[in-house]
Amino acid sequence: EAQVTQNPRYLITVTGKKLTVTCSQNMNHEYMSWYRQDPGLGLRQIYYSMNVEVTDKGDVPEGYKVSRKEKRNFPLILESPSPNQTSLYFCASSPVGVGSYEQYFGPGTRLTVT
Amino acid sequence: AQSVTQLDSHVSVSEGTPVLLRCNYSSSYSPSLFWYVQHPNKGLQLLLKYTSAATLVKGINGFEAEFKKSETSFHLTKPSAHMSDAAEYFCVVSDPYSGGYNKLIFGAGTRLAVHP
Repeated sequence: EAQVTQNPRYLITVTGKKLTVTCSQNMNHEYMSWYRQDPGLGLRQIYYSMNVEVTDKGDVPEGYKVSRKEKRNFPLILESPSPNQTSLYFCASSPVGVGSYEQYFGPGTRLTVT
Repeated sequence: AQSVTQLDSHVSVSEGTPVLLRCNYSSSYSPSLFWYVQHPNKGLQLLLKYTSAATLVKGINGFEAEFKKSETSFHLTKPSAHMSDAAEYFCVVSDPYSGGYNKLIFGAGTRLAVHP
């Protein structure tokens, strides 16, 4: 089954404790992206990657890091989480090409930072 | 810059009555537009997309949307609501010139409630 998976689905942590949220897709997509969802704001892009070793900032990158060492994986790293990073996070992937703008989303990771 | 405005944060309908979720967009280019649905505690699922073909786009579960360039609108409709339609709906525009060409810009969402 074609899918995007994220782990963990739920995470409660404390301020300053480094964490990683994993994202993996099995569709051989070049493009991957991370979004955060906050009430009344929709989803906002954090980082994206066009391909292996190619990443760039989205609209809200502060406090986050990413890496793309393999095509299928795109982990999101919070080196020193803070309470304002409490949010619902989605990973997405898509092919690259003309008209290929539909993105496939993972199930989401709900993060609480206390 | 691209942007999306969903005109209603909450919509409530009775089962069996029509659904209308309103969306206006702003785009400097010929846009690609989408509607995604998010059921409680679930990820986002694509309902339908417009990519400069037919202006009336049919999606899954009986939903459809009409692209109106003169009104810069992309409203989502369904003739008859079902209880299972209760969810949050996002209108989305694709920005082909930022975010690695495939950046999605989301509206704030419309929460649809369906009453028996």
